[in-house]
Amino acid sequence: GNSVTQMEGPVTLSEEAFLTINCTYTATGYPSLFWYVQYPGEGLQLLLKATKADDKGSNKGFEATYRKETTSFHLEKGSVQVSDSAVYFCALSMDSNYQLIWGAGTKLIIKP
Amino acid sequence: GAVVSQHPSRVICKSGTSVKIECRSLDFQATTMFWYRQFPKQSLMLMATSNEGSKATYEQGVEKDKFLINHASLTLSTLTVTSAHPEDSSFYICSARWYGDTYEQYFGPGTRLTVT
Repeated sequence: GNSVTQMEGPVTLSEEAFLTINCTYTATGYPSLFWYVQYPGEGLQLLLKATKADDKGSNKGFEATYRKETTSFHLEKGSVQVSDSAVYFCALSMDSNYQLIWGAGTKLIIKP
Repeated sequence: GAVVSQHPSRVICKSGTSVKIECRSLDFQATTMFWYRQFPKQSLMLMATSNEGSKATYEQGVEKDKFLINHASLTLSTLTVTSAHPEDSSFYICSARWYGDTYEQYFGPGTRLTVT
């Protein structure tokens, strides 16, 4: 079946550090890939998405590239801020039903 | 942007009682709504998908007689946990999608249910 695996957290970094959160997927077919973010006390928000191989999604300084050859969609940011502290979820969707299949989430803690 | 609200944000109920959670799309018409359950430090588990005016489609292992879902209008879906037990304590999250947006779901802030 389809599944998403992302690195366990929490990930703790200092402000201005480089961030990578790994995400790999298993899917029959060609999924769309997403990163969602959940800030403390708020609902999940779409951070970025990519709908086909080699697409790069980007938003708020975050980037992720859809790599079909490695079945990966790693999230990166060059210089994190304290305000980036949140839980990040990688997810995939098959176009047939639009349901999202979720990774376990990675809690990111940025220290000043 | 699209906003989804949930009410209540927290609820405590006694074992054996029922509790209703509302999910509203505030500024768009939600043709499809999803209900998720999230356990501590775990991912979201899809419970059911509901389309306005039709019966919800439940995921395998989810008791449809226990988790009653109603999507009576394009802006409101409700989840009723019937005869709640402590093991039903969890964080319940809804999301909504409108027909014109192929990919994005808009999420509510979630409801923390505690059954004592």
